Amino acid sequence: ETGVTQTPRHLVMGMTNKKSLKCEQHLGHNAMYWYKQSAKKPLELMFVYSLEERVENNSVPSRFSPECPNSSHLFLHLHTLQPEDSALYLCASSQDTGNSPLHFGNGTRLTVT
Amino acid sequence: EDQVTQSPEALRLQEGESSSLNCSYTVSGLRGLFWYRQDPGKGPEFLFTLYSAGEEKEKERLKATLTKKESFLHITAPKPEDSATYLCAVRIINDYKLSFGAGTTVTVRA
Repeated sequence: ETGVTQTPRHLVMGMTNKKSLKCEQHLGHNAMYWYKQSAKKPLELMFVYSLEERVENNSVPSRFSPECPNSSHLFLHLHTLQPEDSALYLCASSQDTGNSPLHFGNGTRLTVT
Repeated sequence: EDQVTQSPEALRLQEGESSSLNCSYTVSGLRGLFWYRQDPGKGPEFLFTLYSAGEEKEKERLKATLTKKESFLHITAPKPEDSATYLCAVRIINDYKLSFGAGTTVTVRA
């Protein structure tokens, strides 16, 4: 079982909907990440939080809004998405933002209709 | 420009047929190279970290090696349960970000 839990596993939403993705880590880590994974493309880093402060916003459109209320929880709020935003959204955590490996959740498969 | 390139894109093996996957990188100042395994419908699972040229790591039928320009993931006598997509990622000095390759999808037939 993964120490990083993501909900929901699947999400279908219309372009005018508002929804949120949730991530919780049980590993005692201090850094959390959102990645986007599209078919046959490398993982794309979206956001990084270290000790609940955002340290990276990788030129992500404002229709994606992250929130990190504490070191164990991370949210991705979605609003007015486009069909090209359909992808697997992965949450990850690491001990810190040093050279430790990332541990991933199983992702949320998002389909925008 | 791509910093991490994985080849081949797909690899079909017969059970017991050993092979190697390649991860080449163009970054300077490598801080660490990471290998992950990803099963369909799941997130990437951490396998190894390699830090310097000449280093090797092993886990069951998998062995990862590192040179100054590339890393290899050797699969010895694979079994069907080794079927997965294998991802390579690099981290450079003075940066915390991981740059991923597009992965190699391995299918092992019984």
